[in-house]
Amino acid sequence: AQKITQTQPGMFVQEKEAVTLDCTYDTSDPSYGLFWYKQPSSGEMIFLIYQGSYDQQNATEGRYSLNFQKARKSANLVISASQLGDSAMYFCAMREDNQGGKLIFGQGTELSVKP
Amino acid sequence: NAGVTQTPKFRVLKTGQSMTLLCAQDMNHEYMYWYRQDPGMGLRLIHYSVGEGTTAKGEVPDGYNVSRLKKQNFLLGLESAAPSQTSVYFCASSYRGAKGTEAFFGQGTRLTVV
Repeated sequence: AQKITQTQPGMFVQEKEAVTLDCTYDTSDPSYGLFWYKQPSSGEMIFLIYQGSYDQQNATEGRYSLNFQKARKSANLVISASQLGDSAMYFCAMREDNQGGKLIFGQGTELSVKP
Repeated sequence: NAGVTQTPKFRVLKTGQSMTLLCAQDMNHEYMYWYRQDPGMGLRLIHYSVGEGTTAKGEVPDGYNVSRLKKQNFLLGLESAAPSQTSVYFCASSYRGAKGTEAFFGQGTRLTVV
């Protein structure tokens, strides 16, 4: 069954340091996509990064990178050089490509960046 | 360019009342989704649609109904609201087929059932 798990309800990081947010998933579909979204206190959902199950390289978008370990079914988000504006909720999500577009999310991790 | 628009943005209902939340997108997306967000629970999928005239149940469909009569609109109905349906509701849409395309979200609807 399609499942996404984020085991860190809250994380703290010092400004300018790197932080890793964990995400594990479960699926029987060989073709799927993994997404990370940011939700600041204002409430909007902001897309950060995407990784496809067949992608050979880990995805990167600016300060965001996705540490994709397919055998372990993990898709951790790495934020380098944290900024105060990175304080927000972060959600991992998965869409199985052969299951009709169903997109499910994990429980989220609240990241707080300390000055 | 409006993107995904949810109506209304806030609503207070009495237990037992009914209401419909409207989601409209102007990006010609095939896929549309309704989620609810509760503290500590993340976003949970209520119902979704892969095209006009089709809908499917998500993770928490009980107490909700949906319709997708037009490609650009996805309606979420509460027939008899309960306090447990107090939540923030998000609509999202995305293209079909292109694997890398992300879902775009509306601004959310904060619903309180008293």
